[in-house]
Amino acid sequence: DTAVSQTPKYLVTQMGNDKSIKCEQNLGHDTMYWYKQDSKKFLKIMFSYNNKELIINETVPNRFSPKSPDKAHLNLHINSLELGDSAVYFCASSPFTGLKNIQYFGAGTRLSVL
Amino acid sequence: QQQVKQSPQSLIVQKGGISIINCAYENTAFDYFPWYQQFPGKGPALLIAIRPDVSEKKEGRFTISFNKSAKQFSLHIMDSQPGDSATYFCAALGGSSNTGKLIFGQGTTLQVKP
Repeated sequence: DTAVSQTPKYLVTQMGNDKSIKCEQNLGHDTMYWYKQDSKKFLKIMFSYNNKELIINETVPNRFSPKSPDKAHLNLHINSLELGDSAVYFCASSPFTGLKNIQYFGAGTRLSVL
Repeated sequence: QQQVKQSPQSLIVQKGGISIINCAYENTAFDYFPWYQQFPGKGPALLIAIRPDVSEKKEGRFTISFNKSAKQFSLHIMDSQPGDSATYFCAALGGSSNTGKLIFGQGTTLQVKP
């Protein structure tokens, strides 16, 4: 069983389109995250939810909107896609937000905007 | 502003050699320092982590050395194997907000030659 699963694995789309990435974790964790990894492999946090409540909201264009229907799911919706949005997006989860925060990552969604 | 600086960007080591990756941080409020390992096409996975109240932690062939006064820490991979070829990220966590926000270094791509 995959602990943190993301769909789709690959996403190719045109500029201006709207797309969503889904994430589910079966670890019973309270906290979930979205990260963006750019072409230089730099990892940067975008959002974090704890028990469906938004707790981290980094400086991300408001075209990106996370949604957490329950604590096992955190989806990412992106409006009006731009070329610069091309990256690998990782979902992660952790048992809590405190110390020894072990985050478990999904396999990533490679988004290519043409 | 990059709060965790990692070097080198890439590293080539012969099988059986020692791989050393260095990180430096700025925020003295950080109090948990994990290392993540990422294989191509996969998400990062926790490798080993340390708290600043110890100077060294060893797990198998992997050792973290921590220098609190210098605000530096490093990962040593002893007897490096081709299977260790991956991208390694140092990270830091902590501070008064305690939201679980991991700050990652820029990553080091390690290639171990057989």
